Amino acid sequence: GAGVSQSPSNKVTEKGKDVELRCDPISGHTALYWYRQSLGQGLEFLIYFQGNSAPDKSGLPSDRFSAERTGGSVSTLTIQRTQQEDSAVYLCASSLAEIIETQYFGPGTRLLVL
Amino acid sequence: AQSVTQLGSHVSVSEGALVLLRCNYSSSVPPYLFWYVQYPNQGLQLLLKYTTGATLVKGINGFEAEFKKSETSFHLTKPSAHMSDAAEYFCAVRNNRLAFGKGNQVVVIP
Repeated sequence: GAGVSQSPSNKVTEKGKDVELRCDPISGHTALYWYRQSLGQGLEFLIYFQGNSAPDKSGLPSDRFSAERTGGSVSTLTIQRTQQEDSAVYLCASSLAEIIETQYFGPGTRLLVL
Repeated sequence: AQSVTQLGSHVSVSEGALVLLRCNYSSSVPPYLFWYVQYPNQGLQLLLKYTTGATLVKGINGFEAEFKKSETSFHLTKPSAHMSDAAEYFCAVRNNRLAFGKGNQVVVIP
């Protein structure tokens, strides 16, 4: 399809396990973003990739969170040693390079940590 | 750093009545401002955006917003609410990454 895709759509894991969330941006979009949507917390910025520049990791809540973007396209968000407070919907978005451009969001991955 | 304030997490509006969602922002540079909507069980989609030029911006589904620099506001309005407007609405400001408000859950009462 032409939109941003994310997988899995839902993930249930046990506390302490590692999880990987995947994002496929729109072809040609050089900017990619990860956000977290928690109940009552709104949307929280996590990390931003722009082309070959060093990513802006300023939103990552702890060192258990990391993200990669391979080949300027697909991105993986990894959460190590998951905690119950990590339960949320993780959203990926992509856009063209210019900052006025619209971000297009994927459907999200709903993560539940038991 | 930029930030966005949206007051009133839940907003109830009667069908046919005015929809008004308030958004105030802070930004150290001229802002780019956005409203996104999230319908139930769907992803976020852009409703409208202000970058430069005309301060009254029209978006999809009859929504519009006005950028008022003196008030640091970007309130979203629609003259007549429809049942299909029930959704969560997020205001956002951007100069590099996007900073979102906490959102307004809009309920339309028949």
